[in-house]
Amino acid sequence: EPEVTQTPSHQVTQMGQEVILRCVPISNHLYFYWYRQILGQKVEFLVSFYNNEISEKSEIFDDQFSVERPDGSNFTLKIRSTKLEDSAMYFCASTQNQYFGPGTRLLVL
Amino acid sequence: KNEVEQSPQNLTAQEGEFITINCSYSVGISALHWLQQHPGGGIVSLFMLSSGKKKHGRLIATINIQEKHSSLHITASHPRDSAVYICAVSKYGNKLVFGAGTILRVKS
Repeated sequence: EPEVTQTPSHQVTQMGQEVILRCVPISNHLYFYWYRQILGQKVEFLVSFYNNEISEKSEIFDDQFSVERPDGSNFTLKIRSTKLEDSAMYFCASTQNQYFGPGTRLLVL
Repeated sequence: KNEVEQSPQNLTAQEGEFITINCSYSVGISALHWLQQHPGGGIVSLFMLSSGKKKHGRLIATINIQEKHSSLHITASHPRDSAVYICAVSKYGNKLVFGAGTILRVKS
């Protein structure tokens, strides 16, 4: 069965550093999403991406965040200057049936 | 007010029991999803519903569009069913809005 993959599985970084989270969606899917889940809280929508551009973003997705599809297969989420409150599990998902990747657990120290 | 409400928040059952988790939503939706999240954190999609009922193995999901309500049933529950069950709705535009989840523990 096709699956969404994410790397790295865990990332520890210092506050203020840039991180890039990577996702490889299912190859023929057109819609991609990033969600995050702060420990003990519910999953929250960050951004959706269609046809190589952002189709919708939440108020969480401020100027420190960016997404791109650099090579037609990878789908990346960049956090420019991480804050303590960015510590969370970040999930990539693709298409309307929402196939989720396994997540990247980000810890900002 | 949350757009997606789940009940109960926590549920403990004995192996073999019939389990029901409820979800109510307050917005117009294109579909409702039931998801399973295991302790490691990964999320698996169980069902996507826009009407009626779906069944997969011991899992049954129903939705009543008029009442804006859905239920997830687990028959003959087993300890391996222990997980967080999340209801989420996709509004027009496809992004998901999530409930807080129901923590299910099935004891042997």
